[in-house]
Amino acid sequence: NAGVTQTPKFQVLKTGQSMTLQCAQDMNHNSMYWYRQDPGMGLRLIYYSASEGTTDKGEVPNGYNVSRLNKREFSLRLESAAPSQTSVYFCASSGQRNQPQHFGDGTRLSIL
Amino acid sequence: AQRVTQPEKLLSVFKGAPVELKCNYSYSGSPELFWYVQYSRQRLQLLLRHISRESIKGFTADLNKGETSFHLKKPFAQEEDSAMYYCALSGGNQGGKLIFGQGTELSVKP
Repeated sequence: NAGVTQTPKFQVLKTGQSMTLQCAQDMNHNSMYWYRQDPGMGLRLIYYSASEGTTDKGEVPNGYNVSRLNKREFSLRLESAAPSQTSVYFCASSGQRNQPQHFGDGTRLSIL
Repeated sequence: AQRVTQPEKLLSVFKGAPVELKCNYSYSGSPELFWYVQYSRQRLQLLLRHISRESIKGFTADLNKGETSFHLKKPFAQEEDSAMYYCALSGGNQGGKLIFGQGTELSVKP
């Protein structure tokens, strides 16, 4: 029972490089989310997808793009990585509005 | 503005002592409140939600709408409770989005 799976777990990039973080869930959830976790800031929502075919900006969308490829998969892309995007990125999913979210293990991303 | 505030970045207690992790929120409506826990380098896990009114691992949390608070409590802390705790809010018009507090690191010393 995998739940939410994120790849890769770790990545180091140089400034200006591009990267796609992958997320897949096997719980048949409608909604998926991308957060970044920074010390002292908690988790901040980058983008979310309330259902297949829709995406919306969260609190900190600048510098990111997302794709809801199908119901299972929701990817996050950094087109031109910047040091300020060094963070731990979490993907989450939920079945219905206001239901608890299930999180992946996270991706530790360092941008030099 | 919708906001969740956890005033303590770090809370350090001794094993067996009572614990209270504070959470205050600002929301115009009827929110759903959650507590999530993240053990060292693990994924976030749901600990409690106010609507279920249950006790998990000895923790309880009561929603106080008058004080707009959802404090997490445990009468006797254990070393294995050491973790990062996040309070989170979800509102009916938010499409299931969660607003997280800054987190409180709980350290339980032997």
